[in-house]
Amino acid sequence: RKEVEQDPGPFNVPEGATVAFNCTYSNSASQSFFWYRQDCRKEPKLLMSVYSSGNEDGRFTAQLNRASQYISLLIRDSKLSDSATYLCVVPPEGTASKLTFGTGTRLQVTL
Amino acid sequence: GAVVSQHPSWVICKSGTSVKIECRSLDFQATTMFWYRQFPKQSLMLMATSNEGSKATYEQGVEKDKFLINHASLTLSTLTVTSAHPEDSSFYICSARDPRGTGYEQYFGPGTRLTVT
Repeated sequence: RKEVEQDPGPFNVPEGATVAFNCTYSNSASQSFFWYRQDCRKEPKLLMSVYSSGNEDGRFTAQLNRASQYISLLIRDSKLSDSATYLCVVPPEGTASKLTFGTGTRLQVTL
Repeated sequence: GAVVSQHPSWVICKSGTSVKIECRSLDFQATTMFWYRQFPKQSLMLMATSNEGSKATYEQGVEKDKFLINHASLTLSTLTVTSAHPEDSSFYICSARDPRGTGYEQYFGPGTRLTVT
């Protein structure tokens, strides 16, 4: 099983739609989780951290399901500018260094 | 968020030459920086971890004599691609770990697109 797995998509959704991505991870001891966003030919940018209790930032909600070992990202009221690749990131337990990136889920929001 | 710069943003060089890429943390000190490579439509792949004041740690399969890393100060790490070949053409991205947060957050430079002809 890969350390981090994501559905590569693409997810094509109309503007205003709600869309959710999941990311599964293999290391049950992982404690920290992040969602990054990467636009085409650009660097990844930290979108949000994922806390045990879940967290929300505007239209974005991230949740953690430890029992099933996945994290999710929900985007409400999608906008054209949300079109990007969303990367799930899980640092290995016991290190503040290496990050393991999923291949990313591509989202395309259309008119 | 923290700011990381990278220079140059793109470079075209001839096969056999060497190219140096700089990565700087602008508003924080980074004892650890990371170098990634990304080929088209693929995920980021960690090449090496750059440690200030000590040798870099390379990932399996990455040639340390080809990709020279120097973490000269708490705000600067450089990656030199020596004797570049067309297969080295890629998007090279650095990141720095911001110690002021949980310690896990990494902030990325804008990347350097290398084309070797």
